[in-house]
Amino acid sequence: DAMVIQNPRYQVTQFGKPVTLSCSQTLNHNVMYWYQQKSSQAPKLLFHYYDKDFNNEADTPDNFQSRRPNTSFCFLDIRSPGLGDAAMYLCATSPPGRGTSPLHFGNGTRLTVT
Amino acid sequence: TQLLEQSPQFLSIQEGENLTVYCNSSSVFSSLQWYRQEPGEGPVLLVTVVTGGEVKKLKRLTFQFGDARKDSSLHITAAQPGDTGLYLCAVSTHTGRRALTFGSGTRLQVQP
Repeated sequence: DAMVIQNPRYQVTQFGKPVTLSCSQTLNHNVMYWYQQKSSQAPKLLFHYYDKDFNNEADTPDNFQSRRPNTSFCFLDIRSPGLGDAAMYLCATSPPGRGTSPLHFGNGTRLTVT
Repeated sequence: TQLLEQSPQFLSIQEGENLTVYCNSSSVFSSLQWYRQEPGEGPVLLVTVVTGGEVKKLKRLTFQFGDARKDSSLHITAAQPGDTGLYLCAVSTHTGRRALTFGSGTRLQVQP
């Protein structure tokens, strides 16, 4: 089945130690998104790629970076994680253009910062 | 302030009860989506509403888009434990890119 896969499901890192989360997709969608979801809150968009065109949200901290080496893979790099960065990180994809197609989400990576 | 306000924030009911959750905004949208997120998983699309006043049914779930396309409701009839989850409404705020902004969410727990 075509899908969005996030690895790892659970990640523990130390305060200030860089961490990378990964996302892969077999849907061949042009657009990939990273959302941050803190406990009991709605997902918040961090950034998205339209092909290789990177779009950063205005309030996304500089501490968060992303790479998309090809259509299938996208990475979220947190350069110096703080305790406030503990959250579920969700990757999603969608086909390009306007319209009402859904976003396809992975099952997320839950990040713990110690 | 949130673009999309959902109410109630939390709802705990007994199996078999009916419930309605709301998604409200002061902005007008061309379409609105409802997602359900179960614990430890990503959100999954339930429905997209496009036309003002539109009503869509998905088994025991009834979705309505307000006439002015500023609000929406989700009504569940005879709730079951499998309906437990976080219900999120979402709209696109990035022209042509489909990046979604989510509402604050309603966390539903259905007790057997």
